[in-house]
Amino acid sequence: GESVGLHLPTLSVQEGDNSIINCAYSNSASDYFIWYKQESGKGPQFIIDIRSNMDKRQGQRVTVLLNKTVKHLSLQIAATQPGDSAVYFCAENSNSGYALNFGKGTSLLVTP
Amino acid sequence: ETGVTQTPRHLVMGMTNKKSLKCEQHLGHNAMYWYKQSAKKPLELMFVYSLEERVENNSVPSRFSPECPNSSHLFLHLHTLQPEDSALYLCASSQGQSYNSPLHFGNGTRLTVT
Repeated sequence: GESVGLHLPTLSVQEGDNSIINCAYSNSASDYFIWYKQESGKGPQFIIDIRSNMDKRQGQRVTVLLNKTVKHLSLQIAATQPGDSAVYFCAENSNSGYALNFGKGTSLLVTP
Repeated sequence: ETGVTQTPRHLVMGMTNKKSLKCEQHLGHNAMYWYKQSAKKPLELMFVYSLEERVENNSVPSRFSPECPNSSHLFLHLHTLQPEDSALYLCASSQGQSYNSPLHFGNGTRLTVT
C-alpha cells in the first residue's frame, strides 16, 4: 500500500556538523509534507512544512527539500546542537485528506 | 506550553476499568484528532473531529469511544481495554483540514493496561 518511510532508523552526528534526514513517500498525489521533532516524553513538535509547488523551504537552521520526481523529502539541520537530539518524523497528507500519514521516524543523536 | 493540554500524563488501568483521557486546545483550531503511538510503529490515526463531522479509522476497536463536546475539548473514553492497547495516546488540533495546515500535538497520555 502507499506509505511514508524513512531511509535510516538512526543517525549519529557530531555537534556542529550538518544533519540530513531523508524520507521517501509513495503517494504521487500527496501535496503537503511536514517534518516533526519528538523529544523524549513529549508530543511531536512541528518543525517545517512544504507544499508540492515548492522544491525548497528554509526555516531557522532547517531546510526542507522536496524532489517530486523521485518522491523524496529531506530535512537538513545546520550546525546540529545537542538539543536537536530527538526522533524526527516526516508526514504527508493522506488520500482522504482527513489525516496525515506518518513515517516510523529517524532517531538523531548529537554527540559532543 | 504546547497549546494542546492532555490529562492525565500517565494512566495505569486494569482491563475491567473505565477511564477517560482529556484533551483541551487553546489555539482556536476547529479540528481535533486522537492518534495512537506504539513503539517502533508509525503514528496511527484513531479519530478526527473536523467542524461538525467525525471521521474514524475503521480498525479502531469499539472499546475506544471519542467525544467532542465543542471545538476546544476532546475526550477518549476507554473500557475493557487489552494489554496491547498500552501506548502513548496523542491529541492534536489543526485549523482546517490536516492537508492544509499542520497538526499541533499535546504531550500525550502514557497508558498502561495491566
